[in-house]
Amino acid sequence: GQQLNQSPQSMFIQEGEDVSMNCTSSSIFNTWLWYKQDPGEGPVLLIALYKAGELTSNGRLTAQFGITRKDSFLNISASIPSDVGIYFCAGRLIQGAQKLVFGQGTRLTINP
Amino acid sequence: EAEVAQSPRYKITEKSQAVAFWCDPISGHATLYWYRQILGQGPELLVQFQDESVVDDSQLPKDRFSAERLKGVDSTLKIQPAELGDSAMYLCASSLVRASYEQYFGPGTRLTVT
Repeated sequence: GQQLNQSPQSMFIQEGEDVSMNCTSSSIFNTWLWYKQDPGEGPVLLIALYKAGELTSNGRLTAQFGITRKDSFLNISASIPSDVGIYFCAGRLIQGAQKLVFGQGTRLTINP
Repeated sequence: EAEVAQSPRYKITEKSQAVAFWCDPISGHATLYWYRQILGQGPELLVQFQDESVVDDSQLPKDRFSAERLKGVDSTLKIQPAELGDSAMYLCASSLVRASYEQYFGPGTRLTVT
């Protein structure tokens, strides 16, 4: 099936640092979503993007819908301990089935 | 704040046994999804309901899995018989309308098959 390549797979940073992660594909998407998942819990929706080039913020989080429609980016500024978790991108293909396709996640670890 | 409810949170079962999971979506959400998430991977859609109708079950292993949403509200996912490879997190999500891709997830059911 369709695949989203999410990178990096894991990140180890110091508290206070900024974080950048991305999601890419060879296919074109018309919706990008970013989720955060804590251990043993379900994913929590962080940001939804619907237009190419769109830049949307949610507190210290900023996500962008790539202008090629094949990628998306998530930035976290001034990381804090509660940012620890796994971040997933999800996209809906512009053609075909209307289901969401998820990336494999970026695991964020923060050293205090 | 409205949430998706799932039960049980954890389930341990022996292979060849039957197991069932329950989901109650956010009130008013017409679309309900069941996902399976294997450790270290992203969720994968098993089945999607619009009200009480199945709109996508292409990835549901129908020889052993079944899902229903009889009154278009809560839903049950069943596995019979369970196999060792079914060990995973089973997540339920809902969205307001089918065309909304802002899906809200429940806490999941962690299934371990021994």
